[in-house]
Amino acid sequence: TQLLEQSPQFLSIQEGENLTVYCNSSSVFSSLQWYRQEPGEGPVLLVTVVTGGEVKKLKRLTFQFGDARKDSSLHITAAQPGDTGLYLCAPASNAGGTSYGKLTFGQGTILTVHP
Amino acid sequence: DTGVSQDPRHKITKRGQNVTFRCDPISEHNRLYWYRQTLGQGPEFLTYFQNEAQLEKSRLLSDRFSAERPKGSFSTLEIQRTEQGDSAMYLCASRKENRDGYTFGSGTRLTVV
Repeated sequence: TQLLEQSPQFLSIQEGENLTVYCNSSSVFSSLQWYRQEPGEGPVLLVTVVTGGEVKKLKRLTFQFGDARKDSSLHITAAQPGDTGLYLCAPASNAGGTSYGKLTFGQGTILTVHP
Repeated sequence: DTGVSQDPRHKITKRGQNVTFRCDPISEHNRLYWYRQTLGQGPEFLTYFQNEAQLEKSRLLSDRFSAERPKGSFSTLEIQRTEQGDSAMYLCASRKENRDGYTFGSGTRLTVV
């Protein structure tokens, strides 16, 4: 059974600050996705990382997949109130050798950016 | 393309009643997933359909839960004899290929009183 841990669980910062959230596991993943979820809505896909060591940038967001493909991080530069939400990582897993692509989500990091 | 639609958005029901939720995925997406999310947690996998075939069910899906996708388009999730522990957000997601990201609906918030 894979153990997926996201940290920190809660993060409260002021507008303009930088932050990093982490997603760690003991398992190796073929790919990993990051989602952001606002209250009362479903998660929205931000990025998919596939290659170990891969870095992807999405405006002020920088995503990194660990070299061993067991961990990932999300760095936000100059956070804005609109970044507030639940950030979820979701590595893809295989089920019994057949890849249904079921995603297992971490607990998430609740980010609050104060104006 | 209107995205993934879920209906209703909110449902309040008394313990012991049956409820049914509907999900309309993006039309060309043959893969459909149901997840459940409780407050402060990430979504937990419930079941997966490829076209009309239900290919995987989580152990979380007790005998009181049943899901269908009769024509490979919309899907329904029914909960019989609801319990207070069933209170959660029920999310539906779809995608075309395994390498794609999920497109989630806005969810159905179930409250069992």
